Amino acid sequence: GQQLNQSPQSMFIQEGEDVSMNCTSSSIFNTWLWYKQDPGEGPVLLIALYKAGELTSNGRLTAQFGITRKDSFLNISASIPSDVGIYFCAGRERIQGAQKLVFGQGTRLTINP
Amino acid sequence: DVKVTQSSRYLVKRTGEKVFLECVQDMDHENMFWYRQDPGLGLRLIYFSYDVKMKEKGDIPEGYSVSREKKERFSLILESASTNQTSMYLCASSLEPSGRGQETQYFGPGTRLLVL
Repeated sequence: GQQLNQSPQSMFIQEGEDVSMNCTSSSIFNTWLWYKQDPGEGPVLLIALYKAGELTSNGRLTAQFGITRKDSFLNISASIPSDVGIYFCAGRERIQGAQKLVFGQGTRLTINP
Repeated sequence: DVKVTQSSRYLVKRTGEKVFLECVQDMDHENMFWYRQDPGLGLRLIYFSYDVKMKEKGDIPEGYSVSREKKERFSLILESASTNQTSMYLCASSLEPSGRGQETQYFGPGTRLLVL
């Protein structure tokens, strides 16, 4: 299947710092999604992007859909302890009658208070 | 609120055992998915289903099978568990989208399976 390359794989930052992570693909997607997974839980959707060039914010989170439709980034401003977790990008494709997501490898965020 | 529940949070099985992982969603979603999550590999799709009794292979179906007899329930079966199937298993469901914003996949809490 398709692969998404997500970087960095892990980040160790101080509380209050800004965070940036990105995802690239060899193929075009029509929708990019960013999920967050808290320890011991399933991923939860943070932001969805539907159009090339689209920039969308959700509180301290900002995500952009790349112009080429092959990449996306997520920024978190002024990080707080509850931002700790694993962040996944996902591209949406339609396969055999269902909308299927392809996920990146994840970025594990650790925050030092 | 959408609720996706998985039958067990933690499971320990022996090599060769048959293992059933159950997933139930309460939002009448057409699509259901089974993923496994491993460190450094993200989420990889095992099988998915877009309707009752319909199933499609994902990216890593080997060693697994699935069953969808009712719309709300999607079961993952390990016919003969092996140690390399030790992993976190996540179930998800989604609507068949008719418009923007409806393609979100909602995930269950996961089942952490250890095969000894």
